[in-house]
Amino acid sequence: SQQGEEDPQALSIQEGENATMNCSYKTSINNLQWYRQNSGRGLVHLILIRSNEREKHSGRLRVTLDTSKKSSSLLITASRAADTASYFCAPDSGGYQKVTFGTGTKLQVIP
Amino acid sequence: DVKVTQSSRYLVKRTGEKVFLECVQDMDHENMFWYRQDPGLGLRLIYFSYDVKMKEKGDIPEGYSVSREKKERFSLILESASTNQTSMYLCASTDRGLYGYTFGSGTRLTVV
Repeated sequence: SQQGEEDPQALSIQEGENATMNCSYKTSINNLQWYRQNSGRGLVHLILIRSNEREKHSGRLRVTLDTSKKSSSLLITASRAADTASYFCAPDSGGYQKVTFGTGTKLQVIP
Repeated sequence: DVKVTQSSRYLVKRTGEKVFLECVQDMDHENMFWYRQDPGLGLRLIYFSYDVKMKEKGDIPEGYSVSREKKERFSLILESASTNQTSMYLCASTDRGLYGYTFGSGTRLTVV
């Protein structure tokens, strides 16, 4: 199975600042997905970037993908207290490959 | 609004009991998954199913089984609950398309 590893494990920033978290993976992918998990809840899909895309935007989210380095980053601009959550990446190799999730980046946005 | 519904948010069971965790999705997805999440260990895949009547072991299937008699329902079964199965259990489904996985709200199971 393909698993992403998020970095850093924890991140604490002031409201209004930008937050960047990174993901590395090991084998080739069809796409890579980012998810958010609020404490004690299920994961929520944020954005999907295909292997032939280098950058994608959705509102305050910007995702980049570098397939040569097998890495991705998620940037949250102008962070808000409501962005406090854990963030997970999920590299998907397609077909019947299992998608597994790492331990995530725990983001704290201080008001 | 599309949904994955897990039957219980919180559950307390005794050691040795047979436990059923139910998951229902209304999106006509072929693919369904069960994960458990423990502090410091991330989400670990227990079982998954790419089709009705089809089930595959994930990374930690020991002590668990699954049932998928209908497309929309994927049940996780703890054959004989043990304290080390105390965890948050998350069900998810997907059509492997643009919208990724849709997760349920989770079931926090405590085995005493």
